[in-house]
Formats: sequence, C-alpha cells, structure tokens
Amino acid sequence: EPEVTQTPSHQVTQMGQEVILRCVPISNHLYFYWYRQILGQKVEFLVSFYNNEISEKSEIFDDQFSVERPDGSNFTLKIRSTKLEDSAMYFCASRDLGTETQYFGPGTRLLVL
Amino acid sequence: GNSVTQMEGPVTLSEEAFLTINCTYTATGYPSLFWYVQYPGEGLQLLLKATKADDKGSNKGFEATYRKETTSFHLEKGSVQVSDSAVYFCALSLVGTGKLIFGQGTTLQVKP
Repeated sequence: EPEVTQTPSHQVTQMGQEVILRCVPISNHLYFYWYRQILGQKVEFLVSFYNNEISEKSEIFDDQFSVERPDGSNFTLKIRSTKLEDSAMYFCASRDLGTETQYFGPGTRLLVL
Repeated sequence: GNSVTQMEGPVTLSEEAFLTINCTYTATGYPSLFWYVQYPGEGLQLLLKATKADDKGSNKGFEATYRKETTSFHLEKGSVQVSDSAVYFCALSLVGTGKLIFGQGTTLQVKP
C-alpha cells in the first residue's frame, strides 16, 4: 500500500541553524501539507501546497519557513534559523484530487538545543 | 472561527469496556469530519470519516455519526482491546481549504 515517508525520523540541531525536513508524498497525490505537534499539544496546520505554490499558510508559517517541491517526488520544509520553540514533531501529509482524506507520514521529531 | 474540542484524557478502560470519546466542533460552512489515531511511536492514521450530516463512519469496530444539530462527532466502540491504546484525534476540514483542524487529542489506555 502506498504511504507517505519522511526523513529523518529524528533531528537534533543548535538554535540558529537551518534544517530541512524531507517528505515523499504518495506518488499520484496533488495536495501536500505540513503540520506540527509540539509535545503534549494539538496538531497544528502549517502550510498547504498545490500546483507548485503555497495555497494556504498559518500564522505560524512566518518568513523563517519555506517549502519546496524540488523534483517530482520530494516535498521539503526548511526552517532557516531554528528557535527553541520550533522543537516539535513535524508531519507531512498528502491527498489526491477529489477526496478530502489526507495521508500522513510517520513524522520527524525535531529538537532544537 | 473553526475549531474542534475533544474530551480531556487520559481515558483508562478495562478490556471489553464500552468507549466513548466526545468531540464537538465549530465551523463556518459544512465541514467533513475525521477521527485519526496515533499509536505509540507512529504517525497519524485515518480511522474513519463522515462528509455530511447523519453520515456514519465506521472502521475496525469504531463508529462515529455526524450530528449537525449538536455539532458533534463522538467516537464509540462497543468492546475495546488492549491494542486500541493510542491517542485519538478528532478533526475537521472545510471544502476548498483542505487543511485539517485538530482537536487536542485524547489518550486511551486499555488495561487487560
């Protein structure tokens, strides 16, 4: 069964460093999403991406964040200068045209020290 | 605004007990409603969904009915198993935006 994959599963970084989180969505899906879950809190929407551009972003998704689909398979989330409060689990999701069901990856746990 | 509220956890039950996890929502428009489950150390998996009023979603013995009059989507299971221990998230999405708005999650622990 096709699934969304994410790498790395864990990342530890120093405050101020750049990180890139990688996702491979399900191959025929057209809509891509990033969410995050700070430990003990709810899952929060960050950004949605369709047709090679951002379709919606939350107030969390400020200038420090960017997304890219560099090729036909990868979808990345970059945090330019990480802060302590960026420590969270980051989930990628994708969905196909004509359905509202999103399929989630296993997540990347980011720890900023 | 749009939001989802779930009952506080953790919920601790004995095996074969009846489960209800309450979920209510506030939405502008007509949302689709979802339950996602997160097993320890894993990502979010879709458990069930309902896209319009009075629809019942069901999967693996879990059920939830989309109640527009009470803006609710409570999750139920008649007889829980230890393997059902997980965190359960209620969520909504609005037509057009696609983004999911989640509740805070409810931890279920089932003891043998």
